[in-house]
Amino acid sequence: QSVLTQTPSASGTPGQRVTISCSGSSSNIGSNNVNWYQQLPGTAPKLLIYSNNQWPSGVPDRFSGSKSGTSASLAISGLQSEDEADYYCAAWDDSLNRYVFGTGTKVTVL
Amino acid sequence: QLHLQESGPGLVKPSETLSLTCTVSGGSITNSNYHWGWIRQPPGKGLEWIGSVYYNGRTYYNPSLKNRFTISIDTSKNQFSLKLSSVTAADTTVYYCARHIHRLAAAQNWFDPWGQGTLVTVSS
Repeated sequence: QSVLTQTPSASGTPGQRVTISCSGSSSNIGSNNVNWYQQLPGTAPKLLIYSNNQWPSGVPDRFSGSKSGTSASLAISGLQSEDEADYYCAAWDDSLNRYVFGTGTKVTVL
Repeated sequence: QLHLQESGPGLVKPSETLSLTCTVSGGSITNSNYHWGWIRQPPGKGLEWIGSVYYNGRTYYNPSLKNRFTISIDTSKNQFSLKLSSVTAADTTVYYCARHIHRLAAAQNWFDPWGQGTLVTVSS
């Protein structure tokens, strides 16, 4: 059972802004940086945001991350059809001594 | 550009040993800035970190997986490997390898890039 909880689904029309939340605890999000991964249908996950709010090379700035206390958020602005995917938050957990992924959020573009 | 590719049998019989290899190209597996990890994802489900290895052979694993996995590294071939013994149907999953940025002191931990993944089915 994942220690990082995400809402199962989110949706929006093209051009809208969608926000995904990730809830954790003091031993993971509260004390470590959060990363976000995008998994397009049938493909491997891809790093989308690292260290809470940093973009890997090639990731558009329509994606933005933030963290506050034991929660984190991923915002997608100017939603596009190609953003339809599963999104996972992740962080190291100091108590469990392991890397933990969130439960995942499926984003649908209406 | 760094590329990782998993290889291994797609079908394994129950009670046998699963062996997978990840071949790294476009960069050296001995780069001391990085670790190398394995992650699994059952069909239609979420991601789970299995464990990682450093170029010097030091390994660390997900404690919740109860020491079922063994990860090793072969720097001469620029490869690292995953073994799982006594597999069951519950081990049917997609296995990914990835470069692991693991800097606990700096609270930095992420996987990038990932291999394309390989589906391993456990069935007789």
